[in-house]
Amino acid sequence: DAKTTQPTSMDCAEGRAANLPCNHSTISGNEYVYWYRQIHSQGPQYIIHGLKNNETNEMASLIITEDRKSSTLILPHATLRDTAVYYCIVRKVSGTYKYIFGTGTRLKVLA
Amino acid sequence: NAGVTQTPKFQVLKTGQSMTLQCAQDMNHEYMSWYRQDPGMGLRLIHYSVGAGITDQGEVPNGYNVSRSTTEDFPLRLLSAAPSQTSVYFCASRGTMNTEAFFGQGTRLTVV
Repeated sequence: DAKTTQPTSMDCAEGRAANLPCNHSTISGNEYVYWYRQIHSQGPQYIIHGLKNNETNEMASLIITEDRKSSTLILPHATLRDTAVYYCIVRKVSGTYKYIFGTGTRLKVLA
Repeated sequence: NAGVTQTPKFQVLKTGQSMTLQCAQDMNHEYMSWYRQDPGMGLRLIHYSVGAGITDQGEVPNGYNVSRSTTEDFPLRLLSAAPSQTSVYFCASRGTMNTEAFFGQGTRLTVV
């Protein structure tokens, strides 16, 4: 599975959009990009995933560049409850079940 | 649905003791896995299973055993606990290939 690179930490003002980048320059054609977050010490929570098209759900939007070497998770109106560690993970469409977590981005939403 | 249930939530062990961390899911998921998370670190995969009777090693399997006799349960066994195994342990399950993984709330283990 491809490795990912994320900034260690970011701040965002409450009510503003939070844009979390992820670099996955070695991604291959059969690998999805997944985003999870971990609030405090709880179990990670799924946010969104995509292959090559941009995706949106009730929580966030995922923008994947055309060459698929990077992506951005967008939380459109960040709230204090979005303060968490966000993990970008790349994994194959098929094959054994493995999520390889990095250290993620610690997002702090400021009042 | 309860989702993924881990027990116990907290445990203190003495070095050399053995114990089993329980994980159960009620979503009929084929895939289950165990992770550990050390302070300030991401999650690291210990063992995983793609179905009843099938298990495989992850990134950090040493010191841990698993078995999968039913679809619902995936226990993690520590045969002889060591202080280096002090960590928070998460169990996860997932259905078909491309769906999200569901995580339990974790077991905080301290080995003294």
